[in-house]
Amino acid sequence: KAGVTQTPRYLIKTRGQQVTLSCSPISGHRSVSWYQQTPGQGLQFLFEYFSETQRNKGNFPGRFSGRQFSNSRSEMNVSTLELGDSALYLCASSSGVTNEKLFFGSGTQLSVL
Amino acid sequence: AQTVTQSQPEMSVQEAETVTLSCTYDTSESDYYLFWYKQPPSRQMILVIRQEAYKQQNATENRFSVNFQKAAKSFSLKISDSQLGDAAMYFCAYRSPGTSGSRLTFGEGTQLTVNP
Repeated sequence: KAGVTQTPRYLIKTRGQQVTLSCSPISGHRSVSWYQQTPGQGLQFLFEYFSETQRNKGNFPGRFSGRQFSNSRSEMNVSTLELGDSALYLCASSSGVTNEKLFFGSGTQLSVL
Repeated sequence: AQTVTQSQPEMSVQEAETVTLSCTYDTSESDYYLFWYKQPPSRQMILVIRQEAYKQQNATENRFSVNFQKAAKSFSLKISDSQLGDAAMYFCAYRSPGTSGSRLTFGEGTQLTVNP
């Protein structure tokens, strides 16, 4: 069974641009959640999607948004990029059943110049 | 809100020896889940072990075991017979049950070095 796939692995953008990251969950998984990892703030929860609906959201500004498609693939979008958005963005998938294990991808490393 | 604290930014151990990583957490909930994740240089977070708060028995997965002290809100990870492949960043994480879905609260992490 293929694992969680995140694309691209690396991305370089400039301030003010927008970016879209993609996450393909494990086959059969209906829940996708996103995390931001930075040296200063550590790992922080962004949001979770289940069956195309956002069911949980962290404390991030509205510039951070996401969506999930009918095949459970998810995208995360950041608009008007700031230098502080430079981070590793991790995606995790699960079956969506309460308290099931999360399986993480290898992340997308975003650098904002 | 729940918080998770890992007070050891770095730890080192000799190959084949035992090492213990510390984690404390703060919560007002009585039921919750605790995890240890490993993040090697590949960056992928890998689940090492999971503990349900309602279970008194400490979880064990091969060479990995935990010491769960619910009253003290402590959740340490013991790695026995350390191997070079155990070298990684280790994160302690907390999750509320039920409607919180997949939301994890992570500690700051402990960088583990394994010396040959």
